[in-house]
Amino acid sequence: QSALTQPPSASGSPGQSVTISCTGTSSDVGGYNYVSWYQQHPGKAPKLMIYEVSKRPSGVPDRFSGSKSGNTASLTVSGLQAEDEADYYCSSYAGSNNFVFGTGTKVTVL
Amino acid sequence: QLQLQESGPGLVKPSETLSLTCTVSGGSISGSSDYWGWIRQPPGKGLEWIANIGYSGSTYYNPSLMSRVTISVDTSKNQFSLRLTSVTAADTALYYCARLHSGSSGFDYWGQGTLVTVSS
Repeated sequence: QSALTQPPSASGSPGQSVTISCTGTSSDVGGYNYVSWYQQHPGKAPKLMIYEVSKRPSGVPDRFSGSKSGNTASLTVSGLQAEDEADYYCSSYAGSNNFVFGTGTKVTVL
Repeated sequence: QLQLQESGPGLVKPSETLSLTCTVSGGSISGSSDYWGWIRQPPGKGLEWIANIGYSGSTYYNPSLMSRVTISVDTSKNQFSLRLTSVTAADTALYYCARLHSGSSGFDYWGQGTLVTVSS
């Protein structure tokens, strides 16, 4: 299984929105509604931000939202804040109890 | 509050076996639909899923690592473990243990990670 494809970087000014894509295949992203997104600050463990494509765990601001169309999932961060500057990774169930992560996107708040 | 903590040697020689343990506190590893997994991150690179295990012992492995990896669980100690054989420098990474909620809904609790360096 190959890593899901994400853009290396994305950026936006405070208050703006940024959207990160995560492209897979019909065997992972397109085949299941089990896409999750993780935020990772430098030196820290990843934090679950979105699960099952669009659900937010308790405590995650509603500025974070997820969606999926075909083989591509997306994470949108609205009302960008300085604290949102981090690396973001998508992940998908890939069948047969396997999982695959994305290549990662560095989000910069300008 | 569920907490996970990785432990194990920080340095392993090439061709030897990497062994790590994850201790779960604040909750039981048994009797739920949750799975427990290992994920690694080479320095400066992305995340790679390694393996998952259920409390009953059902195991699932990344196909690219399957021939070298074993994941196991010890419910009496509330721990699960990872063994990776025949390591090379490419296995140098930060190794995380994590809980996979409801078997597929996302890794919602993570350990802080432990750096394992493969070097002679």
